[in-house]
Amino acid sequence: QQQVKQSPQSLIVQKGGIPIINCAYENTAFDYFPWYQQFPGKGPALLIAIRPDVSEKKEGRFTISFNKSAKQFSLHIMDSQPGDSATYFCAALSAGSARQLTFGSGTQLTVLP
Amino acid sequence: KAGVTQTPRYLIKTRGQQVTLSCSPISGHRSVSWYQQTPGQGLQFLFEYFSETQRNKGNFPGRFSGRQFSNSRSEMNVSTLELGDSALYLCASSPSGVTQPQHFGDGTRLSIL
Repeated sequence: QQQVKQSPQSLIVQKGGIPIINCAYENTAFDYFPWYQQFPGKGPALLIAIRPDVSEKKEGRFTISFNKSAKQFSLHIMDSQPGDSATYFCAALSAGSARQLTFGSGTQLTVLP
Repeated sequence: KAGVTQTPRYLIKTRGQQVTLSCSPISGHRSVSWYQQTPGQGLQFLFEYFSETQRNKGNFPGRFSGRQFSNSRSEMNVSTLELGDSALYLCASSPSGVTQPQHFGDGTRLSIL
């Protein structure tokens, strides 16, 4: 049962563009929402994360927007570069005793030079 | 500080065999989580170990098991391998649990023939 839906599956932008990746969740018992970046042959690396009491968080060129009422959150990459070409995963951490990360299906981003 | 180390990087097995994968966490990290990554199902949580005890478990059959040693190193075992077990197996470590940023290794690629 997919509890975190991610879109789009793939995305191509020109250098300098602002790709936006969206995620929606169903379980309101999530309390931590990280984004991971994965390059081919490597494990995922944490990019940025947000908690539901905050509507926006910015770290460098990466921004998370969070809409608690709509149960949606998104990643924006400002001034995208070819080196940002990677697969991006959103995730949600379940609250309570059975803490585990549920991941979205991933977005393959290509930034053209 | 050395990152998370997973060995071996690649494994080829046949149906019915069993396999053991190893994960050495970042020094000082006591929590180790395991994930399965496949093109069809994405990243799925297997289990988390902390202080040699399984703390949380995902929705996988009992053929998937793990353990953690006193030095926080962890092993994952899969018995009676099936073709569908072909995947990238990732481990992640953090100081004390999944509420903290997860640091992933580069995974073990398991292929079942």
